[in-house]
Amino acid sequence: DVVMTQSPLSLPVTPGQPASISCRSSHRLVHTDGNTYLDWFQQRPGQSPRRLIYNVSKWESGVPDRFSGSGSGTDFTLKISRVEADDVGVYYCMQGTIWPFTFGQGTKLEIK
Amino acid sequence: EVQLVESGGGLVQPGGSLRLSCATSGFTFRTYWMTWVRQAPGKGLEWVANTNADGSRADYVDSVKGRFTISRDNAENSLYLQMNSLRAEDTAVYYCVRYTRLSGADWGQGTLVTVSS
Repeated sequence: DVVMTQSPLSLPVTPGQPASISCRSSHRLVHTDGNTYLDWFQQRPGQSPRRLIYNVSKWESGVPDRFSGSGSGTDFTLKISRVEADDVGVYYCMQGTIWPFTFGQGTKLEIK
Repeated sequence: EVQLVESGGGLVQPGGSLRLSCATSGFTFRTYWMTWVRQAPGKGLEWVANTNADGSRADYVDSVKGRFTISRDNAENSLYLQMNSLRAEDTAVYYCVRYTRLSGADWGQGTLVTVSS
């Protein structure tokens, strides 16, 4: 199975400051159709996960542009340009290229 | 608005069985692949199983193969997960998910399955 490794696992951030989460996959995630199926999900406390980013860098509807995704091959990054209190939760990367689809361990973002 | 409502969770003894259901609305159910994802208490997310639009194909993560069966009723807009030979490590919140790679990903609120004697 494809192993997704996130870092850091804990991320304390001061409001208004940027934040960055790294995700590394054990296999290249380029599908035979040419797309790279790398998603980012946010799970707020007590809520179901919500997809923020798909296809490495595309925003889901309603996601603020403070969030951005980048990367290629095996290395990907989620960036938050200015963290807000509402961003508290756990962030997961997920690969949807190779079955079984797999998630990273999660990065817990907290406000300092 | 897409709605996914899971039911059927509860407490079951090791070795027992449980059937989860997911009632859907707000989209054309029969045209989408559907998925079950689980989350053990305080842990991360694990893709469990998915099925194609007409239910003719099912894929499972290795840890549940031979024990879980995903199915669907397109006339009832419902997704199911039959779970047999349950183990303590199957304890989790089970989410029904309409996942597409490029056209949206919607999650239900989840239903808790606890396997314990």
